[in-house]
Amino acid sequence: QVQLQESGPGLVKPSETLSLTCDVSGYSITSGYYWGWIRQPPGKELQWIGSVYHSGSTYYNPSLKSRVTISVDTSKNQFSLKLSSVTAADTAVYYCARHFPIGGPTGVRFDTWGQGTLVTVSS
Amino acid sequence: DIQMTQSPSSLSASVGDRVSITCQASQDISNFLNWYQHKPGKAPKLLIYDASNLETGVPSRFSGSGSGTDFTFTISSLQPEDIATYYCQQYDNLPLTFGGGTKVEIK
Repeated sequence: QVQLQESGPGLVKPSETLSLTCDVSGYSITSGYYWGWIRQPPGKELQWIGSVYHSGSTYYNPSLKSRVTISVDTSKNQFSLKLSSVTAADTAVYYCARHFPIGGPTGVRFDTWGQGTLVTVSS
Repeated sequence: DIQMTQSPSSLSASVGDRVSITCQASQDISNFLNWYQHKPGKAPKLLIYDASNLETGVPSRFSGSGSGTDFTFTISSLQPEDIATYYCQQYDNLPLTFGGGTKVEIK
């Protein structure tokens, strides 16, 4: 059974870099899916941040692209999110999730999610 | 970006009621739409993909329909365990976008 678990600091200071990791268990991260990050600020809708393939290929939301880096570590079966120059607007629950390849024959659906981790940006 | 407008934002219904949620896309997305259920403190769960296909293991009281810009998600007989927030998501164009959510409560 595939399981995803987010981890990282729950509090980040303004202007610093938010760093989160998603550990994947029960499935090899190299086996054909994309791995994505989604966030939900308090009282707001879900926002897709970006996704990575095991080859390192990435897609990012243009609204965040200048500040986001998503990478994969196949040796640890995990992938990571870095969001730089954070402000209070980046306070959100961050989720990692698995989805079928973008542009592939199967629709892009997030079929497995982590439970999410709250990150608060505050001094 | 494709905007996804869900309505209503919340609803209250009795156990056994038929419940419907709509999702309208700001442009034609064919059937490139998914529906998720999210309970507090838990991982969101995929229920419907490609507008009308039931994900494996999901009860048949859940269904989806629509194409183009207008979509409907239906619970044929609301159960207490269906209390959650439901989201639509389009994948016709990047960036992937979600609706604002519909919170379903028991009356």
